[in-house]
Amino acid sequence: GQSLEQPSEVTAVEGAIVQINCTYQTSGFYGLSWYQQHDGGAPTFLSYNALDGLEETGRFSSFLSRSDSYGYLLLQELQMKDSASYFCSGGGSYIPTFGRGTSLIVHP
Amino acid sequence: NAGVTQTPKFQVLKTGQSMTLQCAQDMNHNSMYWYRQDPGMGLRLIYYSASEGTTDKGEVPNGYNVSRLNKREFSLRLESAAPSQTSVYFCASSEPARVDTQYFGPGTRLTVL
Repeated sequence: GQSLEQPSEVTAVEGAIVQINCTYQTSGFYGLSWYQQHDGGAPTFLSYNALDGLEETGRFSSFLSRSDSYGYLLLQELQMKDSASYFCSGGGSYIPTFGRGTSLIVHP
Repeated sequence: NAGVTQTPKFQVLKTGQSMTLQCAQDMNHNSMYWYRQDPGMGLRLIYYSASEGTTDKGEVPNGYNVSRLNKREFSLRLESAAPSQTSVYFCASSEPARVDTQYFGPGTRLTVL
């Protein structure tokens, strides 16, 4: 089977840095993706790591270590609008699997 | 470009009724997907279509059928709705062999009484 584990909730203050971890057990793993979903909205794609290492996109960075079956999403200079759920996703072939999501709560 | 569109946005059904959820994309993507999202459960794949003319079961296909009408459209049908199918349904699409980057529609919020 395939599974991705991530914390259910993370809290932080505005302006801080927060890391959301994701560990996975998947067969035929192709890479790790991250999505953001605001309450009542649709998931939107944030980043994808096919290779080990860090990918940076503005305030967001994502990291993958295949040897450790582990990745994380790093959010810097947190803003109130970053309060949302974040999902990691991976899998094999055409069958993506999503983690259960991490609810990020940003406090003023 | 509208991206991925879904209709209806909201729907209330009685147990045993049937309905079809519609999805269309204008990004010329080959692959399309149907997910359901329940509180605390993340996104679970119901069915997917890797390309026009093909459909395959995902993680939770029971109680659902799909039709890939053409390259743009992928519909999801509930033949006899059950309360356990109360959920938010999302359609998504991706470029060929790029399941890692999916584009989601706005969702359909379905309640079965």
